[in-house]
Amino acid sequence: KAGVTQTPRYLIKTRGQQVTLSCSPISGHRSVSWYQQTPGQGLQFLFEYFSETQRNKGNFPGRFSGRQFSNSRSEMNVSTLELGDSALYLCASSSNYNEQFFGPGTRLTVL
Amino acid sequence: AQSVAQPEDQVNVAEGNPLTVKCTYSVSGNPYLFWYVQYPNRGLQFLLKYITGDNLVKGSYGFEAEFNKSQTSFHLKKPSALVSDSALYFCAVRDIGGYQKVTFGTGTKLQVIP
Repeated sequence: KAGVTQTPRYLIKTRGQQVTLSCSPISGHRSVSWYQQTPGQGLQFLFEYFSETQRNKGNFPGRFSGRQFSNSRSEMNVSTLELGDSALYLCASSSNYNEQFFGPGTRLTVL
Repeated sequence: AQSVAQPEDQVNVAEGNPLTVKCTYSVSGNPYLFWYVQYPNRGLQFLLKYITGDNLVKGSYGFEAEFNKSQTSFHLKKPSALVSDSALYFCAVRDIGGYQKVTFGTGTKLQVIP
């Protein structure tokens, strides 16, 4: 099976801009989670989707949003980018409550 | 609320020696427990999990972990460390009850010294 794919792998944006990241889960996986990873804060949970419904949400401002499509592919959007949003954004898929399989991540740099 | 603690930011061990990376957790119900490894500039890779059953769980690359309910711990172990084991290790927990998210620890950097 193909692994979790994330696009793009690298992004450079300026403050105030908006960005959309994409994640394609492993075939058959209906759960997709998003995480933000930074050197200072570690791995922070953003949200989890299951069958197009947001099942859990982390403690991030409303500028961070996501959605999941009927084919389980997921997108996350960050509006009005801030310098502090620079991070590695990781997507993970799983078959319900089993282990998660992570993509390589999208490295976002906000200038 | 569920939580995970990895008390050591970094663990140094000589190649060939046994290694332990510590993890303790807190959940209101019964836990699903996981270990993941992250190599530089890569996503996380699943190592092993505890769902139920035998308290000693064996995983990838010769790693194992022991679930201790009374101490709420799930320490990662390997009998003989390799230089290639050097990486960042994350412990994670999910409460079995309800639609709980997965909570990750802060990570422990393992450095295996040749």
